[in-house]
Amino acid sequence: EVQLVESGGGLVQPGGSLRLSCAASGFTFSDYFMDWVRQAPGKGLQWVGRIRNKANSYTTEYAASVKGRFSISRDDSKNSLYLQMNSLKTEDTAVYYCARRPIGSRNLDYWGQGTLVTVSS
Amino acid sequence: DIQVTQSPSSLSASVGDRVTITCRASEGIANYLAWFQQKPGKAPKSLIYDVSSLQSGVPSRFSGSGSGTDFTLTISSLQPEDFATYYCQQHNSYPLTFGGGTKVEIK
Repeated sequence: EVQLVESGGGLVQPGGSLRLSCAASGFTFSDYFMDWVRQAPGKGLQWVGRIRNKANSYTTEYAASVKGRFSISRDDSKNSLYLQMNSLKTEDTAVYYCARRPIGSRNLDYWGQGTLVTVSS
Repeated sequence: DIQVTQSPSSLSASVGDRVTITCRASEGIANYLAWFQQKPGKAPKSLIYDVSSLQSGVPSRFSGSGSGTDFTLTISSLQPEDFATYYCQQHNSYPLTFGGGTKVEIK
């Protein structure tokens, strides 16, 4: 069974940093591209960014609103995805989901349950 | 960035109704459009990808159609478990963008 489990959310002050993790199981994690998507309270979905697999040199893509502040990485030996968030703003408050993109497809077919990040003083 | 506009933003329907939700992209996105269902407090669930391909395990009452810039999600006979919010997403180019969502409520 495919499972994605996010962790690391919490309360952080504006300007602070936080690192989210996503633990994957039930599939060959190293083969997949992985994404982060967020959802502000009561709002819609917003794509945050993507990291490709080793065959694609672990390259990344980011939304303009987080580029330069957020960094996506992965550790295939630990089946884990990470989101390093720096210089956090109140508008970064959201539930953060990790999601996988299957090989040969552009769809995000499985999502984790999400972890809440609250940026507030 | 490609803007994705969903309509309506909400609708009320009864069990057994046929429901249609539309999604319009600001430019052509080939066939790279997906639909997701989200229930309160839960993660989004993939329903349809590449306009009309049904995700494994999704009931056949869900279908997708369209091309270019205009796309449709249809639920042929609404079931109680289908009351949720639906999002479309273009995955033709970065940044990936979502529609604003359509909340399907019980009439």
